[in-house]
Amino acid sequence: DQQVKQNSPSLSVQEGRISILNCDYTNSMFDYFLWYKKYPAEGPTFLISISSIKDKNEDGRFTVFLNKSAKHLSLHIVPSQPGDSAVYFCAASANSNYQLIWGAGTKLIIKP
Amino acid sequence: NAGVTQTPKFQVLKTGQSMTLQCAQDMNHNSMYWYRQDPGMGLRLIYYSASEGTTDKGEVPNGYNVSRLNKREFSLRLESAAPSQTSVYFCASSEVRNGVKPQHFGDGTRLSIL
Repeated sequence: DQQVKQNSPSLSVQEGRISILNCDYTNSMFDYFLWYKKYPAEGPTFLISISSIKDKNEDGRFTVFLNKSAKHLSLHIVPSQPGDSAVYFCAASANSNYQLIWGAGTKLIIKP
Repeated sequence: NAGVTQTPKFQVLKTGQSMTLQCAQDMNHNSMYWYRQDPGMGLRLIYYSASEGTTDKGEVPNGYNVSRLNKREFSLRLESAAPSQTSVYFCASSEVRNGVKPQHFGDGTRLSIL
């Protein structure tokens, strides 16, 4: 049972446009969500997080939106840059637990 | 700024052999983690250590053991390797800051079991 789902294995976006990566979850106990970025042959790197008490968090070009009623979150990258090409993972935790549940990732390709 | 260091980076084992994957962090973090990542899947937690002296099972602990040697080091041991344990293994560490505890990852160990 996949509690965190990223239904798009890949996404291609023109440089300078907006990239929108989506994540759905099933466990209503999740209260904390994170996005990570991963380049080949490297470990994931933390990007941005959001608590369930908020519906939006912004950090520079990255904004995460949370829709609790739909159990859906999204990561917006504006404007998209070539260095944003990577695999993006959504992860969630419940009750500030140490255990993160991860989605399968979405490969973002930024076209010049 | 080394962050989280994993050794080795690559390893090939035969079925039944044993192996210890090493992990060290220099960020003075209390919590450390071991994950595996398989193709087309997200990371799955094997074991974690919330603080020095404690370890707990994660989602997929079978076939593995861990040791929190000290605050810096957290090792993962495969006592009798099986082909199903072929994977990329990631170690991570974290510390709570302003209610957030993002995990910092090493670059992984690519392990093949023949």
